[in-house]
Amino acid sequence: GAVVSQHPSRVICKSGTSVKIECRSLDFQATTMFWYRQFPKKSLMLMATSNEGSKATYEQGVEKDKFLINHASLTLSTLTVTSAHPEDSSFYICSARVQRSGSDEQFFGPGTRLTVL
Amino acid sequence: GDSVTQMEGPVTLSEEAFLTINCTYTATGYPSLFWYVQYPGEGLQLLLKATKADDKGSNKGFEATYRKETTSFHLEKGSVQVSDSAVYFCALSDRTGGFKTIFGAGTRLFVKA
Repeated sequence: GAVVSQHPSRVICKSGTSVKIECRSLDFQATTMFWYRQFPKKSLMLMATSNEGSKATYEQGVEKDKFLINHASLTLSTLTVTSAHPEDSSFYICSARVQRSGSDEQFFGPGTRLTVL
Repeated sequence: GDSVTQMEGPVTLSEEAFLTINCTYTATGYPSLFWYVQYPGEGLQLLLKATKADDKGSNKGFEATYRKETTSFHLEKGSVQVSDSAVYFCALSDRTGGFKTIFGAGTRLFVKA
């Protein structure tokens, strides 16, 4: 099956610093990746759609200058949380879209837990 | 816009009980429907899916049928196990929405031995 990895799995940082989270498709190419945020005991909220070679499309209410997304290759998308604050603490999950003949699926990464002190 | 509504939890059942988690959706297009499961401390896993009306998705004893007339995709299992304790998310993905996946709020299931 298609495997998506995220790195790091956990990160703790000080308020005001920036954190980069990587999302990789390990055995397939993904022109489209998605970034989600999950609050404790809540559902996943789509933050943005990341398209290889072009600017990300952000959902309403998501600050694009705070959550920088770069999809530099067909196997890697990065999310950088700039000037992180405690309210940015959350579980961030990426997914990669796979289009094969007759099917269109998403495969999810294991998530990255960010704690901002 | 597209949305998914699922029953609030938590749901607590005894082992071998019958499980139903209700899910309804609204969509402008003709979406694919999914159930994802998140076990404690783990990421999301696709449990089952259906891509067109009257399709039945099934996996690990779980089933859900795509009902276009009632815009529903209820999850069922005839006999739950303790290992089924997890959070279950109903979701849809629609071509007209750029294939973004819209999730329901999630339903936490506790199964007691």
